[in-house]
Amino acid sequence: DTGVSQDPRHKITKRGQNVTFRCDPISEHNRLYWYRQTLGQGPEFLTYFQNEAQLEKSRLLSDRFSAERPKGSFSTLEIQRTEQGDSAMYLCASSNTGYEQYFGPGTRLTVT
Amino acid sequence: AQSVTQLDSHVSVSEGTPVLLRCNYSSSYSPSLFWYVQHPNKGLQLLLKYTSAATLVKGINGFEAEFKKSETSFHLTKPSAHMSDAAEYFCVVSRNFGNEKLTFGTGTRLTIIP
Repeated sequence: DTGVSQDPRHKITKRGQNVTFRCDPISEHNRLYWYRQTLGQGPEFLTYFQNEAQLEKSRLLSDRFSAERPKGSFSTLEIQRTEQGDSAMYLCASSNTGYEQYFGPGTRLTVT
Repeated sequence: AQSVTQLDSHVSVSEGTPVLLRCNYSSSYSPSLFWYVQHPNKGLQLLLKYTSAATLVKGINGFEAEFKKSETSFHLTKPSAHMSDAAEYFCVVSRNFGNEKLTFGTGTRLTIIP
């Protein structure tokens, strides 16, 4: 299967801990996106990259959140000093310029 | 600025009857519009897309949608519901063919009654 993959699929952490998620896009897709989905809501945009450049960040992405795509391939999303409000599904998507986004299965974060 | 409003949070239909999921959009530019489906414990899957070509768009699994600029609508339809259609459906707006951020609606949960 050559779809978008995310790791881990589930993460449980205690409030105040740091967590990092990884996303591997479809091979050769130059754009990579992060979204957050809370229960009963549609996904909300967080940030996106073209190759290694971060082109846009949402106001939702507070100072505790940071995303990287160092070599233009996989990406990481780190949340520092997690809060209970960070509990959500974190979705990654990728695309090629001019084409639609394909989504991964998501990482479900639970902050206790 | 862009937004979508899904007019029904929950729709129930009997198997074999038509499906209509309603979506209105707001956009300050020529929009690209999408419908995505999310089955329980599965990732989002693209059903269909409108990117300024034909206004009637056909997607997978017999779904189609019509872009109506005068009504700012992009409703999703299917002639005959199947049990496997039960899922959450999201109407989405973007620009640049979906190559920038997607703005999702709040979703419509479709229930199929046997």
